[in-house]
Amino acid sequence: DTEVTQTPKHLVMGMTNKKSLKCEQHMGHRAMYWYKQKAKKPPELMFVYSYEKLSINESVPSRFSPECPNSSLLNLHLHALQPEDSALYLCASSPGGGKNQPQHFGDGTRLSIL
Amino acid sequence: AQTVTQSQPEMSVQEAETVTLSCTYDTSESDYYLFWYKQPPSRQMILVIRQEAYKQQNATENRFSVNFQKAAKSFSLKISDSQLGDAAMYFCAYRSLNTNAGKSTFGDGTTLTVKP
Repeated sequence: DTEVTQTPKHLVMGMTNKKSLKCEQHMGHRAMYWYKQKAKKPPELMFVYSYEKLSINESVPSRFSPECPNSSLLNLHLHALQPEDSALYLCASSPGGGKNQPQHFGDGTRLSIL
Repeated sequence: AQTVTQSQPEMSVQEAETVTLSCTYDTSESDYYLFWYKQPPSRQMILVIRQEAYKQQNATENRFSVNFQKAAKSFSLKISDSQLGDAAMYFCAYRSLNTNAGKSTFGDGTTLTVKP
């Protein structure tokens, strides 16, 4: 069982839709991450929240909007996506203070844009 | 910027035998962390093993061990007594101390097939 829970597991949406991806962890981690992963490729970092504040935005288009309502939750709001945005979106968390601590990943949301 | 290179896109191993996956990296930093992650078809990225750069001793976790050569900037993963459940994509990752939230750089991955 994964300690980082992502919902939904699969999402199909049109280019004009608005949807949200959700991520939850109850390990007391203070750093949370969104990654985008294409098939057979490594994860690409999108955003990092550290102590509920956005600390890294890897020049992600504004059609992706992250939100960290509290230390356990991380959302990714989607609007007007493009077909090339179809990918696996992974959420991860880490304790935050110790940089030798590994990231714990969720199972991901498989996103398909029609 | 750091880069991580996994030169073997695909590897295969016979069940119960040993396989080594290679990883090299480029950095100007002296202290950092290195990780191997496993991603089976079920999608979840799972930590296999980690190594702190200041430690000379190679990390070991059961059947998994690393050969960390700091001067050569090499961090290979050895899997002993390979099992069918080891089949997955393996990613090597570098983590800098110099960013607040510990940004990781991943290699392109190696797909490991285990033959029964």
